[in-house]
Amino acid sequence: SYELTQPPSVSVSPGQTARITCSGDALPKQYAYWYQQKPGQAPVLVIYKDSERPSGIPERFSGSSSGTTVTLTISGVQAEDEADYYCQSADSSGTFVVFGGGTKLTVL
Amino acid sequence: EVQLVQSGAEVKKPGESLKISCKGSGYSFTSYWIGWVRQMPGKGLEWMGIIYPGDSDTRYSPSFQGQVTISADKSISTAYLQWSSLKASDTAMYYCARPYDSSEYYGGFDYWGQGTLVTVSS
Repeated sequence: SYELTQPPSVSVSPGQTARITCSGDALPKQYAYWYQQKPGQAPVLVIYKDSERPSGIPERFSGSSSGTTVTLTISGVQAEDEADYYCQSADSSGTFVVFGGGTKLTVL
Repeated sequence: EVQLVQSGAEVKKPGESLKISCKGSGYSFTSYWIGWVRQMPGKGLEWMGIIYPGDSDTRYSPSFQGQVTISADKSISTAYLQWSSLKASDTAMYYCARPYDSSEYYGGFDYWGQGTLVTVSS
């Protein structure tokens, strides 16, 4: 089965830049999507198609792709950005959809 | 305004059956896939499967194939997730969600229901 790999945790001080990676063999062929989930809330889509930002999502959220790794970058991290972040994508055939294991972002 | 409203929390015993629902409004229900996502306590998101209410085309994750049934009633704009025999390990929050792109099922979800907490305990 297909898997996406994320680091379990990332820590950053307020105002710094956080980078969360997601690795998967099919990422050169399939788009990635990123979600933010705060405790007790449903996930929120923050990046789609590797680097597109939905309306209403702050500009400090951006996405990029390079080979088998996609990266969610949060510039000028704020305390309110502390949350779990998940990537999502599909295998190369578009048959199986998976989420990464999630990354807990801690704002120090 | 697009909304997905899920049915309320459930407490069940092992072996019991259950069907939870997700009602869509504010968009053409038959034109978008509706997916289900599991989140076990303290754990990550898991993609379970997805249905296209227009023709009931359904896709399942291998991990959930045969364990649950996804269905939809387009006449009332409602999707369902059901179990025939619950286990304690089915205890989780279940979310329904709609992909942002109506033409594909494997894209990202831009609208989510509020979640339905299912607790299975003897």
